[in-house]
Amino acid sequence: GIQVEQSPPDLILQEGANSTLRCNFSDSVNNLQWFHQNPWGQLINLFYIPSGTKQNGRLSATTVATERYSLLYISSSQTTDSGVYFCAVASYGGATNKLIFGTGTLLAVQP
Amino acid sequence: EAGVVQSPRYKIIEKKQPVAFWCNPISGHNTLYWYLQNLGQGPELLIRYENEEAVDDSQLPKDRFSAERLKGVDSTLKIQPAELGDSAVYLCASSPAAVGRTEAFFGQGTRLTVV
Repeated sequence: GIQVEQSPPDLILQEGANSTLRCNFSDSVNNLQWFHQNPWGQLINLFYIPSGTKQNGRLSATTVATERYSLLYISSSQTTDSGVYFCAVASYGGATNKLIFGTGTLLAVQP
Repeated sequence: EAGVVQSPRYKIIEKKQPVAFWCNPISGHNTLYWYLQNLGQGPELLIRYENEEAVDDSQLPKDRFSAERLKGVDSTLKIQPAELGDSAVYLCASSPAAVGRTEAFFGQGTRLTVV
């Protein structure tokens, strides 16, 4: 099945700093989503981005499907950005018609 | 528009007892998923429904886990009997169509502790 790797596994930032999180996947996909899991366990949708670039406020994401990776950029980080960031991919049809998650990046933003 | 609603949020039970989780997906979403998330890991699929049909239950431990989605809307996931290793977060998600083509949305999850 598709393998999803995220890096770095852990990241500590000072408030106001910028960061880049990476997601590599082992096969072609039709769906890629970035989630933020807050301290209460809720998975918050950040981006639905099978390809291309999107921006939402201080966050932006880029997926290069042909090279099988995606990047999540966080600018001017805030303490509320703390939590785990997950990348998840899916392919349409067959046994892979489900979201497969990476192991996540644990982000801690210090004041 | 309401998101995916799960209940209860937290559940503590003794081992060998039964437990059930409930999920109400986003209105109009035909596809419903139950995921299991162990501490420090990403969620993993237990079962996927297309309307009322379970189309992928290969990862569901059928000796103790069961699920149903009556009328293709709400769903329940049951464990009987629960074991200590079942302590985890159980997440429900829904999408308008197959997740390979559309975006999925998750509920707040049920945190189960088996003692």
